Amino acid sequence: DVKVTQSSRYLVKRTGEKVFLECVQDMDHENMFWYRQDPGLGLRLIYFSYDVKMKEKGDIPEGYSVSREKKERFSLILESASTNQTSMYLCASSLVRLAGHTSSTDTQYFGPGTRLTVL
Amino acid sequence: AQSVTQLDSHVSVSEGTPVLLRCNYSSSYSPSLFWYVQHPNKGLQLLLKYLSGSTLVKGINGFEAEFNKSQTSFHLRKPSVHISDTAEYFCAVSDGGYNKLIFGAGTRLAVHP
Repeated sequence: DVKVTQSSRYLVKRTGEKVFLECVQDMDHENMFWYRQDPGLGLRLIYFSYDVKMKEKGDIPEGYSVSREKKERFSLILESASTNQTSMYLCASSLVRLAGHTSSTDTQYFGPGTRLTVL
Repeated sequence: AQSVTQLDSHVSVSEGTPVLLRCNYSSSYSPSLFWYVQHPNKGLQLLLKYLSGSTLVKGINGFEAEFNKSQTSFHLRKPSVHISDTAEYFCAVSDGGYNKLIFGAGTRLAVHP
């Protein structure tokens, strides 16, 4: 079974602190993703990575950065936490299936989430 | 650009009755579509997915969904729900590159005894 783990289930930080959220997957997946989940808004993509040291902005990257130094680990960084970053953060990973010269969509596997509160 | 609209934010049904959760999508090409379920304080779990082929897709726990290209819909249904189906359900469409998913806002399903 694929396993995606996140370093904390609950986290409380103060405004202005630097916050690190860690995500590890054990299935050698190329793609990794960070989402935030807010009531009534579903999941919104913050950043994703398709390879080590590669990253792409998602739909809401402002106020966040990411790091992927190893294939299995993808970190989300809040440089200076603010109260509007209070949210549930979900990490996911997926395989890239190649068929000839095209890649096909594969399932994203999610971690349990980190509920971050910024005071 | 791709988008997903889940037409019901809350659905409440009695145990043993059928349920329909509605999802419409917008995509500029042949989409890949997914339904995920999130139980309280848990991460998302894949229920089923449509990539191509048969438009009726069967998933886990007795759920199924039908891809309807003309109506741009991917509704989820279950013939007889159980209390344990109480959860939030998310419909998602793939943007075709890097497996990025665009999610709907979610439907909260409450199943009553």
